[in-house]
Amino acid sequence: SQELEQSPQSLIVQEGKNLTINCTSSKTLYGLYWYKQKYGEGLIFLMMLQKGGEEKSHEKITAKLDEKKQQSSLHITASQPSHAGIYLCGAATNNAGNMLTFGGGTRLMVKP
Amino acid sequence: DVKVTQSSRYLVKRTGEKVFLECVQDMDHENMFWYRQDPGLGLRLIYFSYDVKMKEKGDIPEGYSVSREKKERFSLILESASTNQTSMYLCASSKSRGPKGIQYFGAGTRLSVL
Repeated sequence: SQELEQSPQSLIVQEGKNLTINCTSSKTLYGLYWYKQKYGEGLIFLMMLQKGGEEKSHEKITAKLDEKKQQSSLHITASQPSHAGIYLCGAATNNAGNMLTFGGGTRLMVKP
Repeated sequence: DVKVTQSSRYLVKRTGEKVFLECVQDMDHENMFWYRQDPGLGLRLIYFSYDVKMKEKGDIPEGYSVSREKKERFSLILESASTNQTSMYLCASSKSRGPKGIQYFGAGTRLSVL
């Protein structure tokens, strides 16, 4: 079974709308990474979160890690067509190495 | 900027062929990884390496081997390609071992085995 659950699996929003993607684990997360992938291409690193309650922003994208370090959210404000793609969360579920487990991804489409 | 380069974007091979997928990183990273990505299954780790000539099995190593003769290069080998190895293969590298080690990915190789 997958250790990281992402929701929703897909999302279609109108340009200018806000949206949120969630990533949930049954285990404590020692590092949580958000990536974006355009269809057929590699993953582009967006942000890393480590501390409970941590929040980071870059341009119109904000990522948060909850206090229990088991859930993260990615929020996009005023979405644009350039935000379209697949968003994946990856997590380190132990403190020893940096093997990551990935969620199934959220496919985002932004309608102009 | 970190650059992870995979030698081919698209590859078509026949069943039974030996296939080499090459990955090179230019940031002196210690750690390198090979994943495959399939619809509905997400990214799954095949092998990783923490140092030259060192390798560790990931979640799905069967049917694959790897080679790391130099720090910057990590090769994935399909000894006898099969149709169920048709997939998107992604290479990644990271500087640090441990949860702080951000993995940077190459553009991917889409392999079709006929």
